[in-house]
Amino acid sequence: QVQLQESGPGLVKPSETLSLTCAVSGYSISSGYYWGWIRQPPGKGLEWIGSIYHSGSTYYNPSLKSRVTISVDTSKNQFSLKLSSVTAADTAVYYCARNSGSGCVDYWGQGTLVTVSS
Amino acid sequence: EVVLTQSPATLSVSPGDRATLTCRASQSVSSNFAWYQQRPGQAPRLLIYGASARATGVPARFSGSGSGTEFTLTITSLQSEDVAVYYCQQYHNWPPITFGQGTRLEVK
Repeated sequence: QVQLQESGPGLVKPSETLSLTCAVSGYSISSGYYWGWIRQPPGKGLEWIGSIYHSGSTYYNPSLKSRVTISVDTSKNQFSLKLSSVTAADTAVYYCARNSGSGCVDYWGQGTLVTVSS
Repeated sequence: EVVLTQSPATLSVSPGDRATLTCRASQSVSSNFAWYQQRPGQAPRLLIYGASARATGVPARFSGSGSGTEFTLTITSLQSEDVAVYYCQQYHNWPPITFGQGTRLEVK
């Protein structure tokens, strides 16, 4: 069974960089699929942030592209998100997820709340 | 970017009845379309992919239909455990992957 688990600070100051890591178990990232991040502001809908292929190719939401970096560490079977210059609008539950080959999301992490506040 | 519009925003249905949720795409996404269920306090869960294929473990009372720009999720014999927000998603033209704004399903 594929499992994903997010980790990282729950509080980030405005203008700083949000950093999260997703540890994957039950499947080797290097075997394939896309691995990505999706966020959900409190009480609102889902927003796709970006995805990375196991080979390292990245795909980002154009609305966030200038601030987002997603990377993969196949040796640790994990991938990471960095979002720079955060503001209160970046406060959200951040989910890591696996995209199937076509693009639908077949596995989700439990989510981690990140609050941007001084 | 493909914009997805879900209707209604909120749906209240009696136990045992049928619920019909709709999602419209701003341009054709063929059958590259999925539905997700998000119960309160939980991560979303894949219900339907390819517009009509049920994901593993999803009960047969959940069904998806449509192609192009109009899609429907039908839940028959509604149960209390079906209380959730349901999101549609397209993955035809990505990036970006886009989601609808959600339909909140309540049980009367």
